[in-house]
Amino acid sequence: GVVVSQHPSRVICKSGTSVKIECRSLDFQATTMFWYRQFPKQSLMLMATSNEGSKATYEQGVEKDKFLINHASLTLSTLTVTSAHPEDSSFYICSASWSGVLPDTQYFGPGTRLTVL
Amino acid sequence: AQTVTQSQPEMSVQEAETVTLSCTYDTSESDYYLFWYKQPPSRQMILVIRQEAYKQQNATENRFSVNFQKAAKSFSLKISDSQLGDAAMYFCAYRPPQGGSEKLVFGKGTKLTVNP
Repeated sequence: GVVVSQHPSRVICKSGTSVKIECRSLDFQATTMFWYRQFPKQSLMLMATSNEGSKATYEQGVEKDKFLINHASLTLSTLTVTSAHPEDSSFYICSASWSGVLPDTQYFGPGTRLTVL
Repeated sequence: AQTVTQSQPEMSVQEAETVTLSCTYDTSESDYYLFWYKQPPSRQMILVIRQEAYKQQNATENRFSVNFQKAAKSFSLKISDSQLGDAAMYFCAYRPPQGGSEKLVFGKGTKLTVNP
């Protein structure tokens, strides 16, 4: 099956520090990766879309200097939360799509729970 | 802009019974994709079923099937022979046609409880 991994699954950090979250497509080359944020009991909110080798496209209201996205290869995208603050605490989920059998379908990673103290 | 509406914040069903989750959407496109995703307590988003708008036949995946009514812009999910493991949040999602934005537009979700 299609597998997308995320690391770490949970992270606790102090206010002011930076945190990097990795998203990997394990058995396919992802043409596009997406980063979402999800608050408790709410739906997913798209933060940005990234294509390998190009700059990410951020959704309105998402600070690109705070949420740095790097899509260095077809199997890896990273989200770095810079100078994290308690309000950045949330559940972050990545997804990936590929030009395979179902190119229009996004497959999701297991998510990363970020807690900023 | 496209919107997806799930009018049932919560639903419950008895084990082995059938339940239908509602989803409506708004779009001016004629070709697009629709999805149902399941998010259990682990919070892993799992693809349940996928429908291509140009296909009139309703998609099915084992106990899961959809009732796709294109004119009415309705895309409901039917779960037959409900199992305890079906308990989860279910999100309906819309994706524009190929060549355009790949963004998914999600509904707010329906929390499904399965009673033993």
